Amino acid sequence: AQSVTQLDSQVPVFEEAPVELRCNYSSSVSVYLFWYVQYPNQGLQLLLKYLSGSTLVKGINGFEAEFNKSQTSFHLRKPSVHISDTAEYFCAVSDRSGGSYIPTFGRGTSLIVHP
Amino acid sequence: DTAVSQTPKYLVTQMGNDKSIKCEQNLGHDTMYWYKQDSKKFLKIMFSYNNKELIINETVPNRFSPKSPDKAHLNLHINSLELGDSAVYFCASSQGVGQAKGEAFFGQGTRLTVV
Repeated sequence: AQSVTQLDSQVPVFEEAPVELRCNYSSSVSVYLFWYVQYPNQGLQLLLKYLSGSTLVKGINGFEAEFNKSQTSFHLRKPSVHISDTAEYFCAVSDRSGGSYIPTFGRGTSLIVHP
Repeated sequence: DTAVSQTPKYLVTQMGNDKSIKCEQNLGHDTMYWYKQDSKKFLKIMFSYNNKELIINETVPNRFSPKSPDKAHLNLHINSLELGDSAVYFCASSQGVGQAKGEAFFGQGTRLTVV
């Protein structure tokens, strides 16, 4: 069965600074990886996904992530954050175990952008 | 034309009551889920249905019963509500097996408060 670890529960950063949110996964089969964002009192929205191909994937709002198979990581980065990026970020993994692709989520990282 | 819609958005009820949350998706997806998000933002899968058949039933009290009348709908009925059931419940859908590889689309959530 797959699992996801988000190492940081909270990441404070100043506006216009770069940020990296860390995600590590474990799975015994090929995986598919996702980052979702949750703004206050809203549902989750897909930021980006890795299914195959280039290990560097770009998403919405200037975010990107790199799939590193040897380190089983999928860290999320943004070169310059805005106040509006303040939100909860979830890393998720799915694989074909059990015959269906069921996403498993990490515990989330709260990104807090200060002016 | 909301993709995944769930109702109600807020639900306040007394202990011991029975309540239902409804979910509908118009994306043509085969797989639907219920997730529970606790006060620490942790997302835990409760149930998953594929083409109206239950494929995942995590360890949840049997007071929780999902019902899928067709593949576009997945409702959640909760009997004898307890204080610990207070949480945000998210409905989601995905294509499951296929190109989407488990990418999930979420509803806006139902904030359940048991008093």
